[in-house]
Amino acid sequence: AQSVTQLDSQVPVFEEAPVELRCNYSSSVSVYLFWYVQYPNQGLQLLLKYLSGSTLVKGINGFEAEFNKSQTSFHLRKPSVHISDTAEYFCAVSAATGTASKLTFGTGTRLQVTL
Amino acid sequence: DTEVTQTPKHLVMGMTNKKSLKCEQHMGHRAMYWYKQKAKKPPELMFVYSYEKLSINESVPSRFSPECPNSSLLNLHLHALQPEDSALYLCASSQDSISGNTIYFGEGSWLTVV
Repeated sequence: AQSVTQLDSQVPVFEEAPVELRCNYSSSVSVYLFWYVQYPNQGLQLLLKYLSGSTLVKGINGFEAEFNKSQTSFHLRKPSVHISDTAEYFCAVSAATGTASKLTFGTGTRLQVTL
Repeated sequence: DTEVTQTPKHLVMGMTNKKSLKCEQHMGHRAMYWYKQKAKKPPELMFVYSYEKLSINESVPSRFSPECPNSSLLNLHLHALQPEDSALYLCASSQDSISGNTIYFGEGSWLTVV
C-alpha cells in the first residue's frame, strides 16, 4: 500500500513571495505522483503529475514539482504566488503497477496568500 | 471549466428518503469514480467503474448503490443514509482505469442528511 504525508496543514505567504508545499510518500513499489488543487466549494483540478523521465515536472499556473526518489519526496513550488493561488493543495500517489487507478491523497495543505 | 458534470450541486435529504446523485462526462472516458470528501479532509475512493462494470468497491455500506447506465453516465443511489454520510460527493473520470492516467473531477454534490 502507498501513503502520503503532507506535514504542513497551513502555509501562509505574502503575494509575490515564493512558496514550497511539502509532500513525502511511502511505498514498496514504484509510484506515480500527483498534485491537485481544490478551490473553495469546487472539485479537484490536476496541477501536475510525475510518471517517469525528468524529475522536474512543470504544471499549470506556474507551479512545478521535483521528484526525489532517495528522499521519497515530491515537493510543489512556485516562485511567485498570487492571491488567486489561495486554495487547498493535495498530494496524491498511485502504484505504478496494476490496472486500477487508485489515488491515495495526503491530508492537504491550505495555502493562504495575503497582500 | 470541468468536463465532468454533477447534479444536483446541493441535496438535503431525510434518513428515510431515497435520492440519487448524477454524473455525466463526454470525454469518451471509460473509467468513472465516486469519491467522498468530508470537510477539511482528503477525498476517499468509494467506487470505480471500468468499461461500465464495477471494478472496485472500497467496502462502502450498501445504503450507497452505484449504477453505470452507459459509458457517459454514473449514478449514486442513496437510501436510508445517516447524518454522518453528509459530505461532498465527487464524481471523476479518466481515459481508463490504468494507473497514471489523469483523473478529472467534477465540482461535486454537497449532501446533507437530516
